[in-house]
Amino acid sequence: NAGVMQNPRHLVRRRGQEARLRCSPVKGHSHVYWYRQLPEEGLKFMVYLQKENIIDESGMPKERFSAEFPKEGPSILRIQQVVRGDSAAYFCASSPPGTLASTGELFFGEGSRLTVL
Amino acid sequence: AQSVAQPEDQVNVAEGNPLTVKCTYSVSGNPYLFWYVQYPNRGLQFLLKYITGDNLVKGSYGFEAEFNKSQTSFHLKKPSALVSDSALYFCAVKLTRGSYIPTFGRGTSLIVHP
Repeated sequence: NAGVMQNPRHLVRRRGQEARLRCSPVKGHSHVYWYRQLPEEGLKFMVYLQKENIIDESGMPKERFSAEFPKEGPSILRIQQVVRGDSAAYFCASSPPGTLASTGELFFGEGSRLTVL
Repeated sequence: AQSVAQPEDQVNVAEGNPLTVKCTYSVSGNPYLFWYVQYPNRGLQFLLKYITGDNLVKGSYGFEAEFNKSQTSFHLKKPSALVSDSALYFCAVKLTRGSYIPTFGRGTSLIVHP
């Protein structure tokens, strides 16, 4: 499967635990985006990364949330000390480098659905 | 700054009838515009985009959209709806310069009745 791979698809955590969501972009794509989807709120941008760099994290909560996209391996969205309000679907998307990053569409994964008990 | 408005939370249409899902945008410059579809418990799938040129854009599954600069709109249309078109539809906008990050609307749930 050459598409964006996200895991786990479903994750259940108790309040105070940590959640780690992984995303492997389409092969050859160097841009990764994380979005959060909540009912009635649509899709909200969180963070935009390129390999080893955070380009824009203007949508990330200031505390407990972090993201990385290392030189090797998947992008990781990490949520520390989860609270019930973190329950949502988290989507990763990727795009190729160059001009297609601005003119092209995003390729989305199937999402990771986090439930905080 | 950029934003997208999808004024309808839900659109209902009978199978075989034409459908329209509305989208208006606001950007401080020229836009790139996109439509995506999301089926239950799935990720978003790209349908079509407007970059430049012809204002009428044709995309996947028989969908099309018309870019109207004066009305800042990019409505999604299909001449004859199918029950299988029932899904959540998202409009998205990006600036042509200075931003790689698309902003999405809240989504419109399309329900096609048999």
